[in-house]
Amino acid sequence: GAVVSQHPSWVICKSGTSVKIECRSLDFQATTMFWYRQFPKQSLMLMATSNEGSKATYEQGVEKDKFLINHASLTLSTLTVTSAHPEDSSFYICSASQDSSNQPQHFGDGTRLSIL
Amino acid sequence: DQQVKQNSPSLSVQEGRISILNCDYTNSMFDYFLWYKKYPAEGPTFLISISSIKDKNEDGRFTVFLNKSAKHLSLHIVPSQPGDSAVYFCAASEGGWGKLQFGAGTQVVVTP
Repeated sequence: GAVVSQHPSWVICKSGTSVKIECRSLDFQATTMFWYRQFPKQSLMLMATSNEGSKATYEQGVEKDKFLINHASLTLSTLTVTSAHPEDSSFYICSASQDSSNQPQHFGDGTRLSIL
Repeated sequence: DQQVKQNSPSLSVQEGRISILNCDYTNSMFDYFLWYKKYPAEGPTFLISISSIKDKNEDGRFTVFLNKSAKHLSLHIVPSQPGDSAVYFCAASEGGWGKLQFGAGTQVVVTP
């Protein structure tokens, strides 16, 4: 149980392109989803927290107009990297938790984004 | 400011022996602590957790110890197996199962 699917797993695109990454909870309803990014040999850094039906809460230093998050249903959240540039190249990972009562976050397999 | 620190970037241990991974934190408001295991090109997999009201939690080969006064936790894996070779992340949250702060990870290599 508690499977989180993330798609696509790998994206290569030209600078200036917008890229959408999907995060789905397959066998549970996720009231909260989280988006992280990880640079090589570094820790996972939380970018934003999204709750179904409301606006995402972004961490300090994360541009909300650059990284658009939509959590339209209890099983789907999307992250759109708008007008991506090479410095946005990273490993993006989503996670989801069932509710706020003693349930750990379960992670997707991540999306490797490479901007040329 | 890194609130969760894993000071050992790597650990090599022989199969069958104990692996001990360490994690330190600075935020005294953290009340849940978790360990995740991660293989390359995959997302982290939840291993074990502990709340701040406990000092030990055990699940099979995995035991997590929490020392609140020292702001330190550790993960013990015994016996270590080749399949345990992965990067292990320590994470902490404040006020329940909310957003997580991760350590930088420890690469564990279990040798035959």
